Amino acid sequence: DVKVTQSSRYLVKRTGEKVFLECVQDMDHENMFWYRQDPGLGLRLIYFSYDVKMKEKGDIPEGYSVSREKKERFSLILESASTNQTSMYLCASSPPLTGHSPLHFGNGTRLTVT
Amino acid sequence: QKEVEQNSGPLSVPEGAIASLNCTYSDRGSQSFFWYRQYSGKSPELIMFIYSNGDKEDGRFTAQLNKASQYVSLLIRDSQPSDSATYLCAVNSGGYQKVTFGTGTKLQVIP
Repeated sequence: DVKVTQSSRYLVKRTGEKVFLECVQDMDHENMFWYRQDPGLGLRLIYFSYDVKMKEKGDIPEGYSVSREKKERFSLILESASTNQTSMYLCASSPPLTGHSPLHFGNGTRLTVT
Repeated sequence: QKEVEQNSGPLSVPEGAIASLNCTYSDRGSQSFFWYRQYSGKSPELIMFIYSNGDKEDGRFTAQLNKASQYVSLLIRDSQPSDSATYLCAVNSGGYQKVTFGTGTKLQVIP
């Protein structure tokens, strides 16, 4: 079974702090993704990566950056946390692109910025 | 216009009935279509995917795709209370697997 592990289930940070969300997958997947999920807005793609050190912006990259130094690890960075970044963050991974590869999600990190 | 649209619900069906969940998408170039189930407080899990016009069955679940109408649906037969969850439609429009999600339909199966 694919295992995608997010380092924290709940996180509370203050406005202006630099925040790191970590994600590790154990299936040697090429693709990794960061989504945020908000009520009424659904899942929105922040960034994704299709290879080590490669990254692509998703639909809402503003205020975020990512790092992928190793294949199994994909980090989401909030450079200066703001209250509108309070959300559920979901990491996902998938096999190489065929168009039919499903996403495997981690358990999510609920981030609160005060 | 949203790229992937779903009725937010809740959709309430009695136990044993057929639940019908619908999704429309705007990109005619979309190639693959997924249904994920998400229980409250949990992460989404894949139920089915479909990429050819027609029906695809897996146990109590049937996915239906009509590319001409840009419409995909999920039927759940013999609905159970354990099926109560939010169902997310997701569409892959190609490229580096840019998967776009709908906002989900909340299903309630009444015992």
